[in-house]
Amino acid sequence: AQTVTQSQPEMSVQEAETVTLSCTYDTSESDYYLFWYKQPPSRQMILVIRQEAYKQQNATENRFSVNFQKAAKSFSLKISDSQLGDAAMYFCAYRRLVQGAQKLVFGQGTRLTINP
Amino acid sequence: KAGVTQTPRYLIKTRGQQVTLSCSPISGHRSVSWYQQTPGQGLQFLFEYFSETQRNKGNFPGRFSGRQFSNSRSEMNVSTLELGDSALYLCASSLVGFSGEAFFGQGTRLTVV
Repeated sequence: AQTVTQSQPEMSVQEAETVTLSCTYDTSESDYYLFWYKQPPSRQMILVIRQEAYKQQNATENRFSVNFQKAAKSFSLKISDSQLGDAAMYFCAYRRLVQGAQKLVFGQGTRLTINP
Repeated sequence: KAGVTQTPRYLIKTRGQQVTLSCSPISGHRSVSWYQQTPGQGLQFLFEYFSETQRNKGNFPGRFSGRQFSNSRSEMNVSTLELGDSALYLCASSLVGFSGEAFFGQGTRLTVV
């Protein structure tokens, strides 16, 4: 069974600075998806960024980028130029690359606080 | 384009009762998944429905069940409620296919007293 671990329950950063959230996972499969989701106080999970394991290039979405280390099974999220609106719970998630396999396996989450 | 809609947003039930939660997916999305979120256990997969058939199921007791209708709307039911069933229940919809990403609703907050 696949597992996802986020070792940082809480992180804080000054506004405009850079922060990195850590995630490791365990799987015996070679192809899969990895995601970072954001859950603000409104509770709605919002997709931040996605990485396909077969792609060597790290995904980037504006101020958000990942450092995907497949051999180490590590998938960290870097947020540059942090903004107050980035404050939320962040969840790392794994999904198998099998058609019909929509199940997401989530980590325990990291609560990110942005200090003005 | 409307997002995933979950109703009701909040619910308070008594131990032993049953409850039904509803999820309307994004138009065109035929896969609907349900997750339970609690402070202790985090986010756990309940089940997934596609074309009115349960395709995957998580490790939850039989008191948790669901169904999907021909218009892709889904309901989940919890019978004989226990205090430990208090949680945020999230629904996610997605297109069929390898890269279908999941879009989540705002959840239903269930409190069992």
